[in-house]
Amino acid sequence: GNSVTQMEGPVTLSEEAFLTINCTYTATGYPSLFWYVQYPGEGLQLLLKATKADDKGSNKGFEATYRKETTSFHLEKGSVQVSDSAVYFCALSKNTGFQKLVFGTGTRLLVSP
Amino acid sequence: NAGVTQTPKFRVLKTGQSMTLLCAQDMNHEYMYWYRQDPGMGLRLIHYSVGEGTTAKGEVPDGYNVSRLKKQNFLLGLESAAPSQTSVYFCASSYEVKLTYNEQFFGPGTRLTVL
Repeated sequence: GNSVTQMEGPVTLSEEAFLTINCTYTATGYPSLFWYVQYPGEGLQLLLKATKADDKGSNKGFEATYRKETTSFHLEKGSVQVSDSAVYFCALSKNTGFQKLVFGTGTRLLVSP
Repeated sequence: NAGVTQTPKFRVLKTGQSMTLLCAQDMNHEYMYWYRQDPGMGLRLIHYSVGEGTTAKGEVPDGYNVSRLKKQNFLLGLESAAPSQTSVYFCASSYEVKLTYNEQFFGPGTRLTVL
C-alpha cells in the first residue's frame, strides 16, 4: 500500500539555520506529494505541493522537489525563523479515483532565537 | 468565510458515554473527512463522505459513526466512548477531485479525553 516515512523529531535549530526534513514515500503509480504544517493549537494547512516528477513546490521560503528516482520529497528552507516552529507533515495522494491523503507521522521543528 | 469549524474544542467523557462532534464548512465542498491524530502516528482517516447523504469507512472506523445529512455538515459520533478514543480529532473538507491534486482544508481540532 501507499505510505510515507518522515524523519523523527524534534528538529531543534537556531534562528537563520538551514533546515532539511526528510520524507520518502512508497506508492503505486505517480502520486501527488504535499507538505502540510500545523502551528501550535491549530489545524493543518497546506504549505506546498508537487504533482509530478521533478516539480518543485515552494511557499514562504520553503521548497521541496519531487524526486521519482529516490522516491523522496525533502523539505528545505535556507534560513528558519522562530515563527517556523511547528509540526510538519509529508503526505501523498494518488491521482486516480478517490484521492485520500496518506500522512507521515509528522516532524516537530523547534527554532530558538 | 469561516472555513472549517469544529465544535466543541475540548471535551472530557467517562467510559461508556456518548457524544457527537460537529464539523461545518462554508466553502461548498463536496468531500468531507474525519481524522484522528495520535502521538507518533500522524493523522489517520476515520470516515469520509463524497457528498450529501453518503459516508464511507477510512482506516480506523471502529467505534465511530458518521452522518452527512446536509452538504455543509459532517457529524462524528461515539456511541460508547473508550479510553482508546482519547485523541485530537480533525475535520477536513475539499472540492470534488477532478484535478491532479487534493488540497484538504482542516478545522482547528477537538481534543477529546476519555477517562
